[in-house]
Amino acid sequence: GAGVSQSPSNKVTEKGKDVELRCDPISGHTALYWYRQSLGQGLEFLIYFQGNSAPDKSGLPSDRFSAERTGGSVSTLTIQRTQQEDSAVYLCASSQYNQPQHFGDGTRLSIL
Amino acid sequence: KQEVTQIPAALSVPEGENLVLNCSFTDSAIYNLQWFRQDPGKGLTSLLLIQSSQREQTSGRLNASLDKSSGRSTLYIAASQPGDSATYLCAVTTSGTYKYIFGTGTRLKVLA
Repeated sequence: GAGVSQSPSNKVTEKGKDVELRCDPISGHTALYWYRQSLGQGLEFLIYFQGNSAPDKSGLPSDRFSAERTGGSVSTLTIQRTQQEDSAVYLCASSQYNQPQHFGDGTRLSIL
Repeated sequence: KQEVTQIPAALSVPEGENLVLNCSFTDSAIYNLQWFRQDPGKGLTSLLLIQSSQREQTSGRLNASLDKSSGRSTLYIAASQPGDSATYLCAVTTSGTYKYIFGTGTRLKVLA
């Protein structure tokens, strides 16, 4: 079946612009995660959605970052007023409760 | 605060060797631990998930062990092959949260 799909695969934008990154999880997966992977750094947790529960937003680095998950399926990560330090690969993963995570190939974001 | 460390950072071995990758974590109150591999430009692929009540998991040539009391996990790869070349990451969740904390990975190269 289809895996986790992320779009766009690459995004180049100017500093100060807003960007939206999309994640289509595997159908039926109740958990959805967003991570950020910067060059030379490990994966940094951003936000976690589980079913209808309130999301765990504790990893969002600033109030310029927000995410939503509509209808328990597709998720959008929005970065407002982008800064150069936001340049990274943004990875999305989904899973069944307490089961292995399945990752998309990520969106490579470059801020000029 | 949970911290995850992986040693070594990089490893180069000849084909056919058995090898061990190490992961240590500072807070033993974990919910589960996962090992992943990441190929260049790709997302992560889950290899093994060990629940906190388990001591090990096996899949094919891979065996992962977990010792919560000492805060350690090892990933054993038998009869390594060039196709095993990738970055291997471990990640833990601490009890009470589903936020995964990742190590910075071990970059493995298996030489033909």
